[in-house]
Formats: sequence, structure tokens, C-alpha cells
Amino acid sequence: GAGVSQTPSNKVTEKGKYVELRCDPISGHTALYWYRQSLGQGPEFLIYFQGTGAADDSGLPNDRFFAVRPEGSVSTLKIQRTERGDSAVYLCASSLTRNTEAFFGQGTRLTVV
Amino acid sequence: DQQVKQNSPSLSVQEGRISILNCDYTNSMFDYFLWYKKYPAEGPTFLISISSIKDKNEDGRFTVFLNKSAKHLSLHIVPSQPGDSAVYFCAASARRRGGGADGLTFGKGTHLIIQP
Repeated sequence: GAGVSQTPSNKVTEKGKYVELRCDPISGHTALYWYRQSLGQGPEFLIYFQGTGAADDSGLPNDRFFAVRPEGSVSTLKIQRTERGDSAVYLCASSLTRNTEAFFGQGTRLTVV
Repeated sequence: DQQVKQNSPSLSVQEGRISILNCDYTNSMFDYFLWYKKYPAEGPTFLISISSIKDKNEDGRFTVFLNKSAKHLSLHIVPSQPGDSAVYFCAASARRRGGGADGLTFGKGTHLIIQP
């Protein structure tokens, strides 16, 4: 596709459940990022992939959060034992190279009830 | 501690006038700065960027100014149009490895409202 695609666009889950959020980056973009945006805040960096490897996961809040990008294209953000505080919009972005202008998907709005 | 600060949560400007959005940063390792525009229920859209080796970058109605000594940048939109009404995020990065996280550091955003 032409842009970054994220699925689902909305996800409601119960506290304690496991969720997976998917990101399909722009074709040819080797850099992929996950961000989280809470209400009234700017996007907050979570993790950066260069190719298949997680080059920087310093933004992941704790070990309940994990992300993979096994073939260097599609990425999945996984959250275990979800908590109400995990509710936010999760944004994926891709760019040609590290820390150049990144192109964002529309986000997945996660609500933990 | 916020490394990128946008101190104005909102700004109202009359159509046709100049809109000036401000951003301050604290991390001296930042060497690349970007502005993003966001409409409700959409992801941020890249608008314009500037490298620390420059002090000005222009693209149509949008100009970004960088004052490194003051650690301050601003986005000028002239003339302002109704479609410019959106939330604007300032973002920064350290492109040199070891300068910081590999992602962008964002401010909290400024909601720009263009009045007819």
C-alpha cells in the first residue's frame, strides 16, 4: 500500500488479557517505530526496528510489552496482562533510514476495561 | 523531564494572518527537528524539518526557524487557511548515534484554530 497501515483501528479488551497490534510499513522502509500517545500528550517512543532487529527498545515501559518484526516488514506489538493504564493510541511509523522524517499510520486505539 | 516543550496548548489565528507556533528543547544532542500536523482520528503527518546546520527552512506557506543558542524553534504559516486547523507537534532527534534514543521526542502539541 501507499502508506503505513495499522490494524485493528480500535481494540477493546478486558484487563488481564493479551493483545496484538499489527503494523504494515511503507514498502522499502527499513526503519520502523512504535509510539504510544495518551490523551493530551505527544507520541512517546516505544521501540525502533532496523530491519528485523530491535535496535532500541528503551521506550518499552515494562516486560509486558514486546514487539517483533520477523521478516523486516510487518511488525506486531504484543501486550501481555493488559492494564487499564495501557489504554492509549498506539502509533506505528516507518522511514527510509533512522531518524529521518517518519510516516505514521492512523493508529490503533486500545481501550482496556 | 520534558526534553521538547510546546508551552502553548492552543492558539487562535484569523484566516489570512500569520500563525507562529513555538517549541523549546533542552537536549543539546538534538540535531534534527521536525513538525508534524495531526487531525482527529488520524496519525501525525510530516510537515517540514530542519537540520541543526541550518537556521531556516521554507516549504511553500510553511517556514521553520531554528535558534540553536536559545534551543528554540518556531513554525510560521502564512497565510493561515481554515484547513490548517489541527494539532501541531514539534519533534526532535539526535541523528548521531549515541546522542539519544533512536526515536523522535515529541512535544505535547499546540492546537491551532484558524478563525474565518
